Amino acid sequence: QTVVTQEPSFSVSPGGTVTLTCGLSSGSVSTSYYPSWYQQTPGQPPRTLIFSTSIRSSGVPGRFSGSILGDKAALTITGAQADDESDYYCVLYMGSGIWVFGGGTKLTVL
Amino acid sequence: QVQLVESGGGVVQPGRSLRLSCAASGFSFSGYAMHWVRQAPGRGLEWVAVISSDGNNKYYADSVRGRFTISRDNSKNTLYLQLNSLRAEDTAVYYCARASCLSTVCQSLYWGQGTLVTVSS
Repeated sequence: QTVVTQEPSFSVSPGGTVTLTCGLSSGSVSTSYYPSWYQQTPGQPPRTLIFSTSIRSSGVPGRFSGSILGDKAALTITGAQADDESDYYCVLYMGSGIWVFGGGTKLTVL
Repeated sequence: QVQLVESGGGVVQPGRSLRLSCAASGFSFSGYAMHWVRQAPGRGLEWVAVISSDGNNKYYADSVRGRFTISRDNSKNTLYLQLNSLRAEDTAVYYCARASCLSTVCQSLYWGQGTLVTVSS
């Protein structure tokens, strides 16, 4: 069974740029996987940041952007802020109606 | 604005059943696919099931297929998840989410606050 991979943790300095990735244990991620990105803080529901690779959800700041980088989907935060410290999840469409989340990345801003 | 309110969670014994509901408002419910996603305590998100806007297409994660059933009543703007043969590992917060469009290929876009299901004897 194909696993969706994410970095378990990442850190970025305030004002810095960080790129989180979303890959597959076997194969390459393309736009056909409709990658989406979600932000979650403890005790809160997820918040959609990016869907269909690069479409920013309503109200999401422009410092968040999505893309395909090499064989992975990527979420880039440009000019990180303290309140970007959260867990970030990606989800991929595997076909036949099936979606699979990655294990999540815990982002620290320090 | 889009509002999704889950209900029906609680404590249930292993092997028993539970039905979750998700009341939707603020958008044309019949025009969008809907997802259920769960999160076990201290764990990551797990996709559970999706249903198309007309209810004709339904898909499930391997971990719940054959035990859980997703359904919807477009006349009541309500999404359901029937949970049967519950196991301890089904303990989680269950979120309903509205998709970005009508088919099951559309991603979760708007999320409810979730309802907690605890499976314990």
